[in-house]
Amino acid sequence: DGGITQSPKYLFRKEGQNVTLSCEQNLNHDAMYWYRQDPGQGLRLIYYSQIVNDFQKGDIAEGYSVSREKKESFPLTVTSAQKNPTAFYLCASSIAPGQGYGYTFGSGTRLTVV
Amino acid sequence: GENVEQHPSTLSVQEGDSAVIKCTYSDSASNYFPWYKQELGKRPQLIIDIRSNVGEKKDQRIAVTLNKTAKHFSLHITETQPEDSAVYFCAASTGGFKTIFGAGTRLFVKA
Repeated sequence: DGGITQSPKYLFRKEGQNVTLSCEQNLNHDAMYWYRQDPGQGLRLIYYSQIVNDFQKGDIAEGYSVSREKKESFPLTVTSAQKNPTAFYLCASSIAPGQGYGYTFGSGTRLTVV
Repeated sequence: GENVEQHPSTLSVQEGDSAVIKCTYSDSASNYFPWYKQELGKRPQLIIDIRSNVGEKKDQRIAVTLNKTAKHFSLHITETQPEDSAVYFCAASTGGFKTIFGAGTRLFVKA
């Protein structure tokens, strides 16, 4: 499925609940990213990681957390501190950071607060 | 902060006509400009990109032009087909970790 897999495709969260979105890639890419997509808006960067055990905040990191324990995996946790989490979440990877390569995106997770 | 403005937000063309989407970036250090196509409910996919040392790049029916002086770049789709209907995103990168995306253009190609 394009080398980068996100799961689940749809996720429902109750108020005050933490949820984790999975992102796995088999492309041997060093860099991985999480973006949030809202209707009528561009993609906004939540977190990114260039190597294992290292990650950096993007523009809208508040209420989110990540880990990068393996090169292949970059899960995103949406915590209860994120007050408006309903959105489409996209994970992406690229060959090497700092060299201007295009992204490969996952198929996305649509998160809805119920 | 850095931003990328994209116009128009919606574009409707007749099948066979050309479509042009324009983007302007603010960071003069930007040197890589990818374009992504996102069909309804699917992932964005890279369709073409251009680097700052090139003024124009073409791939079959799509082409991208870059004007570094004016800090704008454009996507041109010729002989549009219904399957070209999608949301198109431009982006600008300095080659670092940050890629700034435009807000997207929803293209409708009417048969």
